[in-house]
Amino acid sequence: DTEVTQTPKHLVMGMTNKKSLKCEQHMGHRAMYWYKQKAKKPPELMFVYSYEKLSINESVPSRFSPECPNSSLLNLHLHALQPEDSALYLCASSQPAGASYEQYFGPGTRLTVT
Amino acid sequence: GENVEQHPSTLSVQEGDSAVIKCTYSDSASNYFPWYKQELGKRPQLIIDIRSNVGEKKDQRIAVTLNKTAKHFSLHITETQPEDSAVYFCAASYSWGKLQFGAGTQVVVTP
Repeated sequence: DTEVTQTPKHLVMGMTNKKSLKCEQHMGHRAMYWYKQKAKKPPELMFVYSYEKLSINESVPSRFSPECPNSSLLNLHLHALQPEDSALYLCASSQPAGASYEQYFGPGTRLTVT
Repeated sequence: GENVEQHPSTLSVQEGDSAVIKCTYSDSASNYFPWYKQELGKRPQLIIDIRSNVGEKKDQRIAVTLNKTAKHFSLHITETQPEDSAVYFCAASYSWGKLQFGAGTQVVVTP
Protein backbone atom coordinates (compact mmCIF):
# COMPACT_ATOMS: atom_id res chain seq x y z
CA ASP A 1 0.00 0.00 0.00
CA THR A 2 1.60 3.23 -1.11
CA GLU A 3 -1.18 5.61 -0.21
CA VAL A 4 -2.01 8.10 2.46
CA THR A 5 -5.75 8.19 3.11
CA GLN A 6 -7.81 10.92 4.74
CA THR A 7 -11.37 11.13 6.03
CA PRO A 8 -13.73 12.81 5.58
CA LYS A 9 -13.27 14.21 2.07
CA HIS A 10 -15.47 17.20 2.85
CA LEU A 11 -16.51 18.73 6.15
CA VAL A 12 -18.80 21.64 6.92
CA MET A 13 -18.85 22.82 10.50
CA GLY A 14 -20.13 25.73 12.51
CA MET A 15 -17.90 27.86 14.66
CA THR A 16 -19.10 26.16 17.84
CA ASN A 17 -18.70 22.60 16.60
CA LYS A 18 -16.03 20.06 17.48
CA LYS A 19 -14.87 17.75 14.71
CA SER A 20 -11.86 15.63 13.86
CA LEU A 21 -9.91 14.91 10.69
CA LYS A 22 -8.27 11.53 10.27
CA CYS A 23 -5.24 10.39 8.33
CA GLU A 24 -3.83 6.90 7.85
CA GLN A 25 -0.77 5.45 6.15
CA HIS A 26 0.51 1.89 5.89
CA MET A 27 3.88 2.54 4.30
CA GLY A 28 5.80 2.09 7.52
CA HIS A 29 6.62 5.78 7.58
CA ARG A 30 7.58 7.18 10.97
CA ALA A 31 6.88 10.85 10.30
CA MET A 32 3.49 12.39 9.64
CA TYR A 33 2.52 15.95 8.84
CA TRP A 34 -0.46 18.27 8.75
CA TYR A 35 -0.57 21.02 6.15
CA LYS A 36 -3.14 23.71 5.40
CA GLN A 37 -3.67 24.82 1.82
CA LYS A 38 -5.74 27.82 0.77
CA ALA A 39 -6.97 28.17 -2.79
CA LYS A 40 -4.21 28.97 -5.32
CA LYS A 41 -1.56 28.85 -2.58
CA PRO A 42 1.12 26.32 -1.65
CA PRO A 43 0.71 23.99 1.33
CA GLU A 44 1.68 25.51 4.68
CA LEU A 45 3.13 23.28 7.35
CA MET A 46 1.17 23.08 10.62
CA PHE A 47 2.52 20.12 12.61
CA VAL A 48 5.11 17.37 12.34
CA TYR A 49 5.05 14.11 14.27
CA SER A 50 8.13 11.95 14.39
CA TYR A 51 7.94 8.50 15.98
CA GLU A 52 4.51 9.44 17.37
CA LYS A 53 5.85 12.49 19.15
CA LEU A 54 5.04 16.08 18.23
CA SER A 55 8.28 17.56 16.97
CA ILE A 56 7.18 20.72 15.18
CA ASN A 57 4.27 23.10 15.82
CA GLU A 58 4.36 26.04 13.45
CA SER A 59 2.70 28.39 15.94
CA VAL A 60 -0.72 27.01 15.08
CA PRO A 61 -3.68 28.36 17.13
CA SER A 62 -4.83 26.06 19.92
CA ARG A 63 -8.20 25.55 18.24
CA PHE A 64 -6.27 22.99 16.16
CA SER A 65 -5.13 20.04 18.27
CA PRO A 66 -3.13 17.21 16.68
CA GLU A 67 -2.91 13.67 17.95
CA CYS A 68 -0.89 10.66 16.84
CA PRO A 69 -2.37 7.51 18.44
CA ASN A 70 0.10 5.20 16.69
CA SER A 71 2.62 5.19 13.86
CA SER A 72 -0.08 4.74 11.20
CA LEU A 73 -2.69 7.23 12.37
CA LEU A 74 -2.81 10.99 12.69
CA ASN A 75 -5.77 13.05 13.83
CA LEU A 76 -6.49 16.75 13.83
CA HIS A 77 -9.10 17.84 16.36
CA LEU A 78 -10.94 21.04 15.52
CA HIS A 79 -12.78 23.28 17.96
CA ALA A 80 -14.17 26.81 17.79
CA LEU A 81 -12.84 27.42 14.31
CA GLN A 82 -13.16 30.67 12.41
CA PRO A 83 -14.39 31.14 8.82
CA GLU A 84 -10.81 31.96 7.76
CA ASP A 85 -9.84 28.41 8.75
CA SER A 86 -11.74 27.13 5.73
CA ALA A 87 -9.16 25.40 3.54
CA LEU A 88 -7.91 22.07 2.25
CA TYR A 89 -6.19 20.16 5.06
CA LEU A 90 -3.55 17.80 3.80
CA CYS A 91 -1.83 15.00 5.64
CA ALA A 92 1.56 13.71 4.51
CA SER A 93 4.00 11.05 5.62
CA SER A 94 7.66 10.23 5.12
CA GLN A 95 10.38 7.96 6.34
CA PRO A 96 11.81 9.59 9.44
CA ALA A 97 11.26 13.34 9.46
CA GLY A 98 14.59 14.35 8.03
CA ALA A 99 15.38 17.15 5.68
CA SER A 100 15.69 14.95 2.62
CA TYR A 101 12.95 12.36 2.82
CA GLU A 102 10.15 12.26 0.29
CA GLN A 103 6.81 13.42 1.66
CA TYR A 104 3.70 11.78 0.24
CA PHE A 105 0.39 13.57 0.53
CA GLY A 106 -3.10 12.29 1.17
CA PRO A 107 -6.08 13.57 -0.87
CA GLY A 108 -7.02 16.12 1.76
CA THR A 109 -10.13 17.15 3.64
CA ARG A 110 -11.88 20.23 2.30
CA LEU A 111 -13.10 22.10 5.35
CA THR A 112 -15.71 24.83 5.31
CA VAL A 113 -16.39 26.78 8.50
CA THR A 114 -19.72 28.58 8.53
CA GLY B 1 14.14 30.42 7.60
CA GLU B 2 14.06 29.39 3.95
CA ASN B 3 12.58 31.52 1.19
CA VAL B 4 11.75 29.97 -2.18
CA GLU B 5 10.85 32.06 -5.21
CA GLN B 6 9.22 30.40 -8.22
CA HIS B 7 8.76 31.74 -11.74
CA PRO B 8 6.74 32.09 -13.83
CA SER B 9 3.41 32.12 -12.03
CA THR B 10 1.62 31.01 -15.19
CA LEU B 11 2.96 29.23 -18.26
CA SER B 12 1.06 28.50 -21.46
CA VAL B 13 2.65 26.11 -23.95
CA GLN B 14 1.57 24.39 -27.12
CA GLU B 15 1.33 20.63 -26.97
CA GLY B 16 4.68 19.12 -27.88
CA ASP B 17 6.70 22.14 -26.77
CA SER B 18 8.93 22.25 -23.69
CA ALA B 19 8.14 23.94 -20.38
CA VAL B 20 10.66 25.27 -17.88
CA ILE B 21 9.93 26.42 -14.33
CA LYS B 22 12.63 28.06 -12.25
CA CYS B 23 13.09 28.36 -8.49
CA THR B 24 15.62 30.05 -6.27
CA TYR B 25 16.20 29.38 -2.59
CA SER B 26 17.92 31.34 0.14
CA ASP B 27 19.23 28.83 2.70
CA SER B 28 22.56 27.36 1.61
CA ALA B 29 22.00 24.46 4.03
CA SER B 30 19.01 23.20 2.02
CA ASN B 31 19.89 19.85 0.51
CA TYR B 32 16.67 18.38 -0.87
CA PHE B 33 14.50 19.84 -3.63
CA PRO B 34 11.25 18.08 -4.58
CA TRP B 35 8.76 19.06 -7.25
CA TYR B 36 5.04 18.47 -6.82
CA LYS B 37 2.26 18.47 -9.40
CA GLN B 38 -1.23 19.34 -8.23
CA GLU B 39 -4.22 18.92 -10.50
CA LEU B 40 -7.40 20.77 -9.69
CA GLY B 41 -9.06 19.25 -6.63
CA LYS B 42 -6.32 16.64 -6.19
CA ARG B 43 -3.44 16.06 -3.81
CA PRO B 44 0.08 17.36 -4.48
CA GLN B 45 1.91 14.51 -6.20
CA LEU B 46 5.68 14.14 -5.96
CA ILE B 47 6.94 13.92 -9.54
CA ILE B 48 10.69 14.25 -9.18
CA ASP B 49 13.25 15.35 -6.63
CA ILE B 50 16.94 16.08 -6.45
CA ARG B 51 19.48 16.11 -3.67
CA SER B 52 22.35 18.54 -3.31
CA ASN B 53 25.02 16.01 -4.26
CA VAL B 54 23.52 15.69 -7.77
CA GLY B 55 23.40 18.30 -10.53
CA GLU B 56 20.74 16.79 -12.75
CA LYS B 57 18.14 14.07 -12.66
CA LYS B 58 15.85 12.82 -15.41
CA ASP B 59 12.74 10.68 -15.45
CA GLN B 60 11.26 10.18 -18.93
CA ARG B 61 9.96 13.59 -20.06
CA ILE B 62 10.77 15.33 -16.79
CA ALA B 63 14.17 16.58 -15.67
CA VAL B 64 15.39 18.69 -12.80
CA THR B 65 18.66 20.63 -12.62
CA LEU B 66 20.32 22.10 -9.55
CA ASN B 67 22.96 24.84 -9.35
CA LYS B 68 24.03 24.96 -5.70
CA THR B 69 26.38 27.87 -6.20
CA ALA B 70 23.65 30.06 -7.63
CA LYS B 71 20.95 28.48 -5.42
CA HIS B 72 18.80 27.77 -8.47
CA PHE B 73 16.89 24.68 -9.47
CA SER B 74 14.63 24.13 -12.44
CA LEU B 75 12.03 21.71 -13.75
CA HIS B 76 12.04 20.85 -17.44
CA ILE B 77 9.14 19.11 -19.13
CA THR B 78 9.68 18.03 -22.73
CA GLU B 79 7.07 17.05 -25.34
CA THR B 80 4.28 18.49 -23.21
CA GLN B 81 0.87 16.84 -23.29
CA PRO B 82 -2.55 18.13 -22.19
CA GLU B 83 -2.35 15.92 -19.08
CA ASP B 84 0.69 17.96 -17.98
CA SER B 85 -1.70 20.86 -17.29
CA ALA B 86 -1.63 21.46 -13.52
CA VAL B 87 -0.07 23.64 -10.83
CA TYR B 88 3.57 22.78 -10.16
CA PHE B 89 5.24 23.57 -6.83
CA CYS B 90 8.93 23.54 -6.15
CA ALA B 91 10.16 23.13 -2.58
CA ALA B 92 13.37 23.24 -0.61
CA SER B 93 14.13 21.47 2.62
CA TYR B 94 15.25 23.46 5.61
CA SER B 95 15.62 22.79 9.27
CA TRP B 96 14.37 19.37 10.26
CA GLY B 97 11.45 17.81 8.42
CA LYS B 98 10.38 21.10 6.90
CA LEU B 99 9.73 21.94 3.28
CA GLN B 100 9.36 25.51 2.08
CA PHE B 101 7.21 25.63 -1.04
CA GLY B 102 7.36 28.10 -3.89
CA ALA B 103 4.20 29.98 -4.82
CA GLY B 104 3.37 27.63 -7.68
CA THR B 105 3.23 27.73 -11.48
CA GLN B 106 -0.03 27.18 -13.35
CA VAL B 107 0.90 25.27 -16.51
CA VAL B 108 -1.62 25.16 -19.35
CA VAL B 109 -0.89 22.91 -22.33
CA THR B 110 -3.05 23.72 -25.32
CA PRO B 111 -3.64 21.08 -28.04
